Amino acid sequence: DQQVKQNSPSLSVQEGRISILNCDYTNSMFDYFLWYKKYPAEGPTFLISISSIKDKNEDGRFTVFLNKSAKHLSLHIVPSQPGDSAVYFCAASEYASGSRLTFGEGTQLTVNP
Amino acid sequence: NAGVTQTPKFQVLKTGQSMTLQCAQDMNHNSMYWYRQDPGMGLRLIYYSASEGTTDKGEVPNGYNVSRLNKREFSLRLESAAPSQTSVYFCASIGLLNTEAFFGQGTRLTVV
Repeated sequence: DQQVKQNSPSLSVQEGRISILNCDYTNSMFDYFLWYKKYPAEGPTFLISISSIKDKNEDGRFTVFLNKSAKHLSLHIVPSQPGDSAVYFCAASEYASGSRLTFGEGTQLTVNP
Repeated sequence: NAGVTQTPKFQVLKTGQSMTLQCAQDMNHNSMYWYRQDPGMGLRLIYYSASEGTTDKGEVPNGYNVSRLNKREFSLRLESAAPSQTSVYFCASIGLLNTEAFFGQGTRLTVV
């Protein structure tokens, strides 16, 4: 039972264009959502998060959108850069602190120069 | 600043052998986690420890045991390795907020 789902295993975009990574969840108890970025041979690193009381959170080139009624969130990267090429994991938890993270399958983003 | 340190980085085991994956963090975090990453399945939680002295099962605990030796260290043990346990294992420690989750570099384990 995959509670957090990333339906696109891979995404390829041109440098300078927008990258949109999608994530769906089924557990209505999830209240806090995070995106992690992972380079080969390294552990995931935290990128950006959003609480369920918001529908958008922005940090530089990265913006996360949350549609709670659709149980859907997306990560927008604009403009995309070759250094953004990595695996992106969506994660969810019931609280902003003190609760376990449930991860999606990950999406491999490739940004072509 | 070490963060989360996992050892070893690579390991090959024969079916039935045992081994312990070590993890240590130097950020004074209460919570520590063990995940496994498999192609197409993302990161799945094996065991976690919300505080020193406590451990709980995650999604995929079968075939594993853990020990929270002290606040810094959280080890994962495979008593009798099976090919299905071939995976990349990540240890993580999480601070007060979930945004303060730090992962180790991973252990690539192959069971033949």
